[in-house]
Amino acid sequence: GQNIDQPTEMTATEGAIVQINCTYQTSGFNGLFWYQQHAGEAPTFLSYNVLDGLEEKGRFSSFLSRSKGYSYLLLKELQMKDSASYLCAVKLWETGANNLFFGTGTRLTVIP
Amino acid sequence: KAGVTQTPRYLIKTRGQQVTLSCSPISGHRSVSWYQQTPGQGLQFLFEYFSETQRNKGNFPGRFSGRQFSNSRSEMNVSTLELGDSALYLCASNTGRQEYSPLHFGNGTRLTVT
Repeated sequence: GQNIDQPTEMTATEGAIVQINCTYQTSGFNGLFWYQQHAGEAPTFLSYNVLDGLEEKGRFSSFLSRSKGYSYLLLKELQMKDSASYLCAVKLWETGANNLFFGTGTRLTVIP
Repeated sequence: KAGVTQTPRYLIKTRGQQVTLSCSPISGHRSVSWYQQTPGQGLQFLFEYFSETQRNKGNFPGRFSGRQFSNSRSEMNVSTLELGDSALYLCASNTGRQEYSPLHFGNGTRLTVT
């Protein structure tokens, strides 16, 4: 089976930088997504990595190392509205583009 | 453009009953995927429909089924409900035609089985 691990909870201070890690053990890796989910709301797409390296998008960046089975989401200049769950999801070659394997999510709390 | 719409938002059912959930995708999206979200397991893939055909299926029992209509709207049915079926059911859509196309999720239907 697929194994995707994320820390359960993290706390960080407004204005700071936080890094949320995701490690995966899968066969046939074909890409990794990060989603943000506020309580009671729909998950929303943040980033996608399929090649090694860093993808930057405003205050959010995502990194992937395929050889290490490792990704992280970096959030800079934290704002209170960034308090949410962050979901890491892996796509595999053999199971289809929309059959994603999700980690259980990291609940981030931003404090003043 | 309107987002993915799921109805109803909340449902309470009794063990043994059946339930039907509805999903309207974003206009122009032909793929609809269904996921179950629980605190312990996270999001788990149920199935995907594209052009009225089931294209992919997860590891859920046959009590979970779905269908898609010609206008891309989709329904999911769960028969003989069990307590463990209590969860948030999320529907997501995309064009279904590109290898990389992020899923757009609805707000979900929260099902409670008593």
